[in-house]
Amino acid sequence: EPEVTQTPSHQVTQMGQEVILHCVPISNHLYFYWYRQILGQKVEFLVSFYNNEISEKSEIFDDQFSVERPDGSNFTLKIRSTKLEDSAMYFCANSIGGQQPQHFGDGTRLSIL
Amino acid sequence: AQSVTQLDSQVPVFEEAPVELRCNYSSSVSVYLFWYVQYPNQGLQLLLKYLSGSTLVKGINGFEAEFNKSQTSFHLRKPSVHISDTAEYFCAVSAFKAAGNKLTFGGGTRVLVKP
Repeated sequence: EPEVTQTPSHQVTQMGQEVILHCVPISNHLYFYWYRQILGQKVEFLVSFYNNEISEKSEIFDDQFSVERPDGSNFTLKIRSTKLEDSAMYFCANSIGGQQPQHFGDGTRLSIL
Repeated sequence: AQSVTQLDSQVPVFEEAPVELRCNYSSSVSVYLFWYVQYPNQGLQLLLKYLSGSTLVKGINGFEAEFNKSQTSFHLRKPSVHISDTAEYFCAVSAFKAAGNKLTFGGGTRVLVKP
């Protein structure tokens, strides 16, 4: 079964540094999402992306966050100036249609020191 | 806006016993419903979904769930669990919408299957 692949599996970064999380989605799945899960808390929606633009974003997704598809295959999440509270597991997800089930990657654990 | 409540944060159960994980949701619009499972150090794997049609849906690994619109519930059941079912289970909803639908998750239920 096709998979969503996320790299790296674990990222350790100093506070204030920029970080880019990478996702290789399933081919022909045109809807892209990022979620995060702070340790011990719910999985939270960050942003959805379709047709090369953001279709919806949450309050968490402020000006420090951005997403892009730099080469038509990868889907990245950038945090410009990381804060301690950005420490979480970040999940990329992908669906073939807007109302179809989302397939998740294994996540990137981001640790901010 | 939608919200999801999973009433049990942890459910210990003996191997070969049945298990039910409760999920209630709140929404002002119609929703799609999902159950995901997360094994240790892995991502979220879709167990089953309710999009329309029969309110009893069957998923992978012997799980099933029943959508009850009047009670706004989508409880997950398995008649006989295995040790390998030890994992965290998440109920999620998304609203009917033309574009991409964000998932709203419950807090998760950790299932521990004991021999």
